Amino acid sequence: AQRVTQPEKLLSVFKGAPVELKCNYSYSGSPELFWYVQYSRQRLQLLLRHISRESIKGFTADLNKGETSFHLKKPFAQEEDSAMYYCALKATSGSRLTFGEGTQLTVNP
Amino acid sequence: DVKVTQSSRYLVKRTGEKVFLECVQDMDHENMFWYRQDPGLGLRLIYFSYDVKMKEKGDIPEGYSVSREKKERFSLILESASTNQTSMYLCASRHRGRFSEQYFGPGTRLTVT
Repeated sequence: AQRVTQPEKLLSVFKGAPVELKCNYSYSGSPELFWYVQYSRQRLQLLLRHISRESIKGFTADLNKGETSFHLKKPFAQEEDSAMYYCALKATSGSRLTFGEGTQLTVNP
Repeated sequence: DVKVTQSSRYLVKRTGEKVFLECVQDMDHENMFWYRQDPGLGLRLIYFSYDVKMKEKGDIPEGYSVSREKKERFSLILESASTNQTSMYLCASRHRGRFSEQYFGPGTRLTVT
């Protein structure tokens, strides 16, 4: 079975501070990991995926297979980063996603 | 742009009613999904469909059924709505390719009284 855990339901930082949203997973195979974001009154959308190894809106995430983690990081948070963030896992051969519980990020001015 | 639409943004139903939630996508995607989104629980998969007339149970299928008669449309059915089915329901679709992403609809907030 696959499982995704986001230990922080709420995270509050000040503008300009670094931010890290934690994601841990359990899966016996080789997973594909994603971060999805939902801004206020908008639909859920893909932020980034580990296979792309890219930075989106200043966010990066590294897959650490040893620690089974996929933490999302940004060095300098902005107020517009305030949103709900979900980590998700997909089996390599499958199509369904397993989501974590979500972390509500608030960036204060 | 991929467009996933859901029939209603808000819906209020009474306990015991039969409820239909409709989802339509316009990108010829093979895979479609229904989730419910609850605070503190994240998104939980109810049912998904690999292609037309195909369906698979997700993690919380009890009390729900689905229908996929046409490729673009995936319906979620609550046979007899109950108060514990009050939730936000999200539909998603994706192309069947390995690296395809899921695209989400705006959601339907269902309240069962």
